[in-house]
Amino acid sequence: GNSVTQMEGPVTLSEEAFLTINCTYTATGYPSLFWYVQYPGEGLQLLLKATKADDKGSNKGFEATYRKETTSFHLEKGSVQVSDSAVYFCALSTGTSYGKLTFGQGTILTVHP
Amino acid sequence: EAGVAQSPRYKIIEKRQSVAFWCNPISGHATLYWYQQILGQGPKLLIQFQNNGVVDDSQLPKDRFSAERLKGVDSTLKIQPAKLEDSAVYLCASSLETSGGPGEQFFGPGTRLTVL
Repeated sequence: GNSVTQMEGPVTLSEEAFLTINCTYTATGYPSLFWYVQYPGEGLQLLLKATKADDKGSNKGFEATYRKETTSFHLEKGSVQVSDSAVYFCALSTGTSYGKLTFGQGTILTVHP
Repeated sequence: EAGVAQSPRYKIIEKRQSVAFWCNPISGHATLYWYQQILGQGPKLLIQFQNNGVVDDSQLPKDRFSAERLKGVDSTLKIQPAKLEDSAVYLCASSLETSGGPGEQFFGPGTRLTVL
């Protein structure tokens, strides 16, 4: 079956620090990969995605590269801001799952001024 | 464009009581999903509709959970009777149908259920 594993959290950083949140996956078939973000009091939002190997998804200064050889999709940002404080979820879907998303457990990020 | 609407936002009930959640997807979105998000975990799909037909309900506890999507628009999710372990946030999402299958999912704000 499909599964997603995220790094243990929570993660606490100072403003302008470099961020990495690790994500690895197992999947039957060829998955599409996603990062979702949940800001305090808000619903889940798609942050970025990649649909094939070596694709790089990017948005709002965040990036993640689809690495098929290591089955990974790590999220990075060069300089975090206080406004990036949120919960980040890695997720995948496969053609056989017809759009169904399988999520990781989430990583809480807190950025201090 | 209006987003996915859910109500109520919060609900507190006693165990063995019944509860229902409502979802109104984005206009024109054929696919509707219900996810359960237990505290500290990622969302887990309960049921997926394509218009008013069920595509996947393999993880829906059918002895107590039911869902319907009459007329292929609004949807309700019901729990009867509730157990303590049903305490969670229930998320509704919807997506457009594309030539490649369901497109990007847009999530509602969720309903936080507490079972005492």
